[in-house]
Amino acid sequence: AQSVAQPEDQVNVAEGNPLTVKCTYSVSGNPYLFWYVQYPNRGLQFLLKYITGDNLVKGSYGFEAEFNKSQTSFHLKKPSALVSDSALYFCAVRDGGNAGNMLTFGGGTRLMVKP
Amino acid sequence: DSGVTQTPKHLITATGQRVTLRCSPRSGDLSVYWYQQSLDQGLQFLIQYYNGEERAKGNILERFSAQQFPDLHSELNLSSLELGDSALYFCASSVGGGGGTDTQYFGPGTRLTVL
Repeated sequence: AQSVAQPEDQVNVAEGNPLTVKCTYSVSGNPYLFWYVQYPNRGLQFLLKYITGDNLVKGSYGFEAEFNKSQTSFHLKKPSALVSDSALYFCAVRDGGNAGNMLTFGGGTRLMVKP
Repeated sequence: DSGVTQTPKHLITATGQRVTLRCSPRSGDLSVYWYQQSLDQGLQFLIQYYNGEERAKGNILERFSAQQFPDLHSELNLSSLELGDSALYFCASSVGGGGGTDTQYFGPGTRLTVL
């Protein structure tokens, strides 16, 4: 079975500071990892994904994520936070070694960026 | 805007009733996925259709059913509604069958309130 954990319900950061939203995963095969963002009253927007290759993945709106196989983590990062980054962030995983296509989501982390 | 459309945006109904949620995927996408988002259960995968055929099934109740039509739009039917069915229902679409590098793009959701 595949699973995702987002250990922090909320992350608070000041505008202009770097931010990190944590994600750890568990799969039996190779992990395919995704980050989505949800703004209030909106659907989930795709930010970035890791499939294979470079461990540092760059995505939309200046976000990037670092894949760490030994720590089974895929943390989302941004060098300088904006107030407009305040939203709900979801990490998701698909087991690449499994014939199934199910995407499993973490519980979400609310990011609050204060001016 | 992801290109995935969902109607209606809001739906208010009574217990025991039946409703239909509609989703149109992005142009060119063959897969449609349905998810339920609630405060206590988080984001739960319900079911996937690929080119008209059921491809994967998640935590979908027997009272719920879905189908994908020849024009690739999909409908999610919820019957014998209970208070606990109140949630945000998302549709997502992807180009392929959902495995490998396939990325899911989400619609804005339908907020269902059961009174």
